[in-house]
Amino acid sequence: GENVEQHPSTLSVQEGDSAVIKCTYSDSASNYFPWYKQELGKGPQLIIDIRSNVGEKKDQRIAVTLNKTAKHFSLHITETQPEDSAVYFCAASRGGNTPLVFGKGTRLSVIA
Amino acid sequence: SAVISQKPSRDICQRGTSLTIQCQVDSQVTMMFWYRQQPGQSLTLIATANQGSEATYESGFVIDKFPISRPNLTFSTLTVSNMSPEDSSIYLCSVVSSGGPDEQFFGPGTRLTVL
Repeated sequence: GENVEQHPSTLSVQEGDSAVIKCTYSDSASNYFPWYKQELGKGPQLIIDIRSNVGEKKDQRIAVTLNKTAKHFSLHITETQPEDSAVYFCAASRGGNTPLVFGKGTRLSVIA
Repeated sequence: SAVISQKPSRDICQRGTSLTIQCQVDSQVTMMFWYRQQPGQSLTLIATANQGSEATYESGFVIDKFPISRPNLTFSTLTVSNMSPEDSSIYLCSVVSSGGPDEQFFGPGTRLTVL
């Protein structure tokens, strides 16, 4: 089955700096890669996703890149703000109605 | 995106008892899933809740411990049976949006503590 590895487990950045979180996956049939942000006491919130036919996707300060050959994808947050502090999870699936397999999460702290 | 609610939001239960968690969606959805998130950990899929048939369980999870109902396309329940402290977790339901083919949205979770 699919295995998703996520690094780093914790990340501290100064406000205004960029943050990068990386994930690798094992199943070459996976074609859907979402990222979730989970704040304390809340459920995971979908913030951006990418499909295998696209190499990069951007939404304001957030971008995701995908390298299918190397089986890795990354989340980039620019101009970080204190409200970006949360736990971020990457995930992978074969798309459609198949369930997601999650990475172990990255706790991001943005220091004002 | 779908709006998902869960009840209860949190509970403290005694060892050996059972708790039923409800998940309600504001629109009809084909796929509903139940996940467990142990303290400080990632999300692990418990089962896929199938409408009109038995749930499909992942390795390590069994129907006797986690019975699931899915009576219609907007509602599901997960029961945590004969609880022990190891069952203390956040339980999350999620749905695949009918708007997008892959997007999966999560409810707010039910935080369960077993004493």
